[in-house]
Amino acid sequence: DAGVIQSPRHEVTEMGQEVTLRCKPISGHDYLFWYRQTMMRGLELLIYFNNNVPIDDSGMPEDRFSAKMPNASFSTLKIQPSEPRDSAVYFCASSLGAAGGDGYTFGSGTRLTVV
Amino acid sequence: KNQVEQSPQSLIILEGKNCTLQCNYTVSPFSNLRWYKQDTGRGPVSLTIMTFSENTKSNGRYTATLDADTKQSSLHITASQLSDSASYICVVRAQTGANNLFFGTGTRLTVIP
Repeated sequence: DAGVIQSPRHEVTEMGQEVTLRCKPISGHDYLFWYRQTMMRGLELLIYFNNNVPIDDSGMPEDRFSAKMPNASFSTLKIQPSEPRDSAVYFCASSLGAAGGDGYTFGSGTRLTVV
Repeated sequence: KNQVEQSPQSLIILEGKNCTLQCNYTVSPFSNLRWYKQDTGRGPVSLTIMTFSENTKSNGRYTATLDADTKQSSLHITASQLSDSASYICVVRAQTGANNLFFGTGTRLTVIP
């Protein structure tokens, strides 16, 4: 398995533009997580899905953020409109089971810069 | 309030030396504690997982300890290598709650030749 695949690796966009981040989880994993990482706050959970259904989106900062998982092999995180304070590294992770017995498998992340 | 604090924030050591990273937590009720290694530009990768009944667990040159009474964990790296340069993140899981993972902000380790 190629692991969790995220795209793009880097994204630079202007304030106000829409940004879409993509994630392909490991096949067979039933949980998918979106995290945001900054130097100041470390890793923060934004939202997670179980069997494609959003379970907890309490970490989503505001209505500008939305996430979807139309099928078991694909998820998107969209920011519209983007703001400079959204600049961070966004990680997608997947696991088999909520407890992630072998740990969550993280993707390589998308580094977002909003100018 | 459930929190995870790591120290030091950053550390620079010479290749071949040992080092110890600390993690203190207030997460309750405790389920498990995991140490992750995050290389620059990559996602975190799990190193070890500690449950309530485990005091010490090793993974090669990495040894994690857990004191559930004092709510402290450490990650000891022996005979450091340049490839150990990374951020090390402590993650504590609570037994209950929909969002029950709590992350430390990590220790940035740099191993120099």
